[in-house]
Amino acid sequence: EAQVTQNPRYLITVTGKKLTVTCSQNMNHEYMSWYRQDPGLGLRQIYYSMNVEVTDKGDVPEGYKVSRKEKRNFPLILESPSPNQTSLYFCASSLSPTGNEAFFGQGTRLTVV
Amino acid sequence: AQSVTQLDSHVSVSEGTPVLLRCNYSSSYSPSLFWYVQHPNKGLQLLLKYTSAATLVKGINGFEAEFKKSETSFHLTKPSAHMSDAAEYFCVVSDAYNNNDMRFGAGTRLTVKP
Repeated sequence: EAQVTQNPRYLITVTGKKLTVTCSQNMNHEYMSWYRQDPGLGLRQIYYSMNVEVTDKGDVPEGYKVSRKEKRNFPLILESPSPNQTSLYFCASSLSPTGNEAFFGQGTRLTVV
Repeated sequence: AQSVTQLDSHVSVSEGTPVLLRCNYSSSYSPSLFWYVQHPNKGLQLLLKYTSAATLVKGINGFEAEFKKSETSFHLTKPSAHMSDAAEYFCVVSDAYNNNDMRFGAGTRLTVKP
């Protein structure tokens, strides 16, 4: 079954404690991206990756890092989380960003206290 | 840069009545347009997409949308609402001029009353 898998689904952490949210897709997609969803703002792109070892900033990259060492995995790293990063996070993948359907993970609800 | 405006943050309809969710876009190039649906505690699922083919696009679950370039609109419709349609709906635009980045609208929450 084609899918994008994120882990964990829920996470509560404290300010400053490094965390990683994993994302894996099994569709051999080249393009992957991370979004955060906040009420009234829709989804905003954090980072995206066009292929292995190729990543770039989206609209709201501050406080986040990503890596793309393998095609299937695209982890999101928060080196020093802060309360304003409390949000719902989605990973997505697609064949390419040009007019193709994006497949989304189930989401990770992160709370930073 | 491209952008999307969903004109209603919340729409409430009765079961069996038509659904209209409005979306206006701004794009400096030939856009691709999408509608995604998000059910509670779920990820986003593609309903339909427009990529410069037929202007009337049919999607899953009886939804359709019409691309109107002159009005820069891509409204989502369904003739008869079902209880299972209650969800949040996102209109999305992307275009090659802006590196094909997907821009999401703020979302419209659809409530269906019995």
